Amino acid sequence: KNQVEQSPQSLIILEGKNCTLQCNYTVSPFSNLRWYKQDTGRGPVSLTIMTFSENTKSNGRYTATLDADTKQSSLHITASQLSDSASYICVVSAPDYKLSFGAGTTVTVRA
Amino acid sequence: EAQVTQNPRYLITVTGKKLTVTCSQNMNHEYMSWYRQDPGLGLRQIYYSMNVEVTDKGDVPEGYKVSRKEKRNFPLILESPSPNQTSLYFCASSLGQGQYEQYFGPGTRLTVT
Repeated sequence: KNQVEQSPQSLIILEGKNCTLQCNYTVSPFSNLRWYKQDTGRGPVSLTIMTFSENTKSNGRYTATLDADTKQSSLHITASQLSDSASYICVVSAPDYKLSFGAGTTVTVRA
Repeated sequence: EAQVTQNPRYLITVTGKKLTVTCSQNMNHEYMSWYRQDPGLGLRQIYYSMNVEVTDKGDVPEGYKVSRKEKRNFPLILESPSPNQTSLYFCASSLGQGQYEQYFGPGTRLTVT
């Protein structure tokens, strides 16, 4: 069973709207949690990296939150743009540095 | 420009024909890794290397080989490819393990018929 579950699997939003992606994990203990953006046909690109002591981290219009008690993270996209259409991947790192990848959420932004 | 390159980007081959996918990084990173990505499964690690001449198995190493003779290069070798190795492959590098950012290559789409 995958230790990192993402939801929803996919979503469609209108340009300019906000959306929130969810990541639930069972990796315990963990060292850090990362969010990646993967454009179609490209390799993943890092958006944020949070350690267990951090609650939130922003990168432009992307804001990631982390609740280590409930083992949940979210990625909030503000004022979406067409270029935000991509797959977003949650990755959890264990203390031994082993990475567990979520299957990703595919976001489609429509004009 | 700091980057990870992979070649080829696309490859169609037949069962049993040995192939190599090259990976090179120009950031002097010690840690390099290979992943495969399949629909609905996410990225899965095949092999990784902590430094020159140091390699170890990831989660799905069967049917693959790697070598790390130079710091910048980390080729992935399929000695006898099979159709279940049809996938999208990514090479990645970072300064080390832990909370260092990983930089991914552009991917290699492999089809084995």
